[in-house]
Amino acid sequence: EAGVTQFPSHSVIEKGQTVTLRCDPISGHDNLYWYRRVMGKEIKFLLHFVKESKQDESGMPNNRFLAERTGGTYSTLKVQPAELEDSGVYFCASSQEGVRKNYEQYFGPGTRLTVT
Amino acid sequence: DQQVKQNSPSLSVQEGRISILNCDYTNSMFDYFLWYKKYPAEGPTFLISISSIKDKNEDGRFTVFLNKSAKHLSLHIVPSQPGDSAVYFCAAGDGTASKLTFGTGTRLQVTL
Repeated sequence: EAGVTQFPSHSVIEKGQTVTLRCDPISGHDNLYWYRRVMGKEIKFLLHFVKESKQDESGMPNNRFLAERTGGTYSTLKVQPAELEDSGVYFCASSQEGVRKNYEQYFGPGTRLTVT
Repeated sequence: DQQVKQNSPSLSVQEGRISILNCDYTNSMFDYFLWYKKYPAEGPTFLISISSIKDKNEDGRFTVFLNKSAKHLSLHIVPSQPGDSAVYFCAAGDGTASKLTFGTGTRLQVTL
């Protein structure tokens, strides 16, 4: 079974540019999450999709961040325009449906974003 | 305001001995706790979990203990092996949503 995949693995962009991160969850997982880890700090929740619907986007930092999951399969996270503080590692995770199974989330390898 | 705290950024243990990683939380709504293990350049990997109705869960060399009154949990690894060297994250869920709240991680180094 293929795990969660993310693309690209690294991205270096200049302040003001746009970047789009992609996540492919484990096949059959309806739940998809985005998290971010900044500068060795805690991994912070950004948002949660159930299929194509945004279930919880309470962690999105501001309106420069736009997440989509068209068709309920892969998801994209766009940052436009990027700022220096957006640098960090962006993780995607997926889980099966079910109260406890939602918590046992499978993470992708992350995309390291550097904004210069 | 960090709701999940891992106060030890690093820990070094000799191979064969017990590793004890600690985690404290402040949100009394948390009802499910997990430990994740992370190697460099990889995403976190689920290790073991515990529900708030239990005080212990064991899986092979890994045991998680939960002390609800103290809002404290710990992960015991025994015996420790060099392959256990990684960053360990404590995480919690509050039952109202699926999001996980993570600590800052503890880097475990198991030496020969």
